[in-house]
Amino acid sequence: EVQLVESGGGLVQPGGSLSLSCTATGFTFSRYWMAWVRQAPGKGLEYLDIKDQDDSKRRSVASVQGRFTIFRDNAGSSLHLQMDTLRTEDTAVYYCARVVLEKEWLFDVWGQGTLVTVSA
Amino acid sequence: DIQMTQSPSSLLASVGDRVTISCRASRHVSSSVNWFQQKPGKAPEALIFGASTLHSGVPARFSGSGYGTDFTLTIVSLQPEDFAHYYCQHTYSTPWTFGQGTKVEV
Repeated sequence: EVQLVESGGGLVQPGGSLSLSCTATGFTFSRYWMAWVRQAPGKGLEYLDIKDQDDSKRRSVASVQGRFTIFRDNAGSSLHLQMDTLRTEDTAVYYCARVVLEKEWLFDVWGQGTLVTVSA
Repeated sequence: DIQMTQSPSSLLASVGDRVTISCRASRHVSSSVNWFQQKPGKAPEALIFGASTLHSGVPARFSGSGYGTDFTLTIVSLQPEDFAHYYCQHTYSTPWTFGQGTKVEV
């Protein structure tokens, strides 16, 4: 079964750091681009960043540039999001998703999400 | 950045109804629009890619259309399991922004 499982969420103070992980099973992780998307409580979806198969390209949104870093470990079939200088507005459920280039870059498989709460 | 604007933000419907959700891009995005469904407390699920192609396993009562800046998601004969939030997203140029969502409720 194709599956993505996020972990690493929790409570952190403003200005702090947190590292999220997304572990993939059921498919050849190294063949796919991967993405992070977040959803603030009661709000819509926000695209954050994507990463190519070779861990060399990324396309992040302006609101997280310089603070969030996406990277991957193909040997471990995992995607990571290092989040620094966190702000209260970063409070959200963070999802990882698999990206299918041949389907107009469709996010075809999503994890269940991990909640990040930034609060003093 | 390209903005995606959905309308309406919410709509009331009944089982069996035909529902249409619109999504407008702030500039040309060709056919690079995907649609997602999200139920409360769950992750989004892919419905349609490339504006009009049904993702595998998605019921045929869902359809998509559009090109350029105006796109539509249609659900014919709404089923109980279709009451959810729906989001469009463009993948024309990064960042691949989402629309603000449309809630389909009873």
